[in-house]
Amino acid sequence: AQKITQTQPGMFVQEKEAVTLDCTYDTSDPSYGLFWYKQPSSGEMIFLIYQGSYDQQNATEGRYSLNFQKARKSANLVISASQLGDSAMYFCAMREGGTGGFKTIFGAGTRLFVKA
Amino acid sequence: NAGVTQTPKFQVLKTGQSMTLQCAQDMNHEYMSWYRQDPGMGLRLIHYSVGAGITDQGEVPNGYNVSRSTTEDFPLRLLSAAPSQTSVYFCASSRSDRRTGELFFGEGSRLTVL
Repeated sequence: AQKITQTQPGMFVQEKEAVTLDCTYDTSDPSYGLFWYKQPSSGEMIFLIYQGSYDQQNATEGRYSLNFQKARKSANLVISASQLGDSAMYFCAMREGGTGGFKTIFGAGTRLFVKA
Repeated sequence: NAGVTQTPKFQVLKTGQSMTLQCAQDMNHEYMSWYRQDPGMGLRLIHYSVGAGITDQGEVPNGYNVSRSTTEDFPLRLLSAAPSQTSVYFCASSRSDRRTGELFFGEGSRLTVL
């Protein structure tokens, strides 16, 4: 069965420093996708980055990168040069079945606090 | 481009009352889903649909019904509300032909059951 685990309820980082948010997953499907979403205090859900299970390289989107370690079943989000606006909840999510699959489940989330 | 629209944004119910949370998307997305968000538990999948006429249960389906008569609409029904259903509800949709297939979310509906 699908499972997503985020073990860090809260994280603190100094402005301009890098931070890693942990995510491990479990699935028996060889084809899956991994996502990170951001939820600011305003409540909306914002898609950040995607990694496919067959992708050879780690995904990057601006200051966001996904450290994908397939054998360890981990998909950690790295935010470089943290900004005050990065303070938010961050959710890791997984979708089984490749492009044609749809069911997406989420982890419990990590609340990130960026200190000035 | 409205995206995913949820109504109402806020609702207070008494135990035992019924209600429907509406969700509509104008992006012609095949996939639609409902999540509930509770503190410390992330987003949990309630029901999802891969197209008109097709629905399936997610992680926490008990107490909720759905139907998908059109591509655009995916209402969530609470037949007899319970305090345990107090939560923030999100509707989301995505495309099947997009490699990433990321979810597009509505703004959420905050439901309180007294």
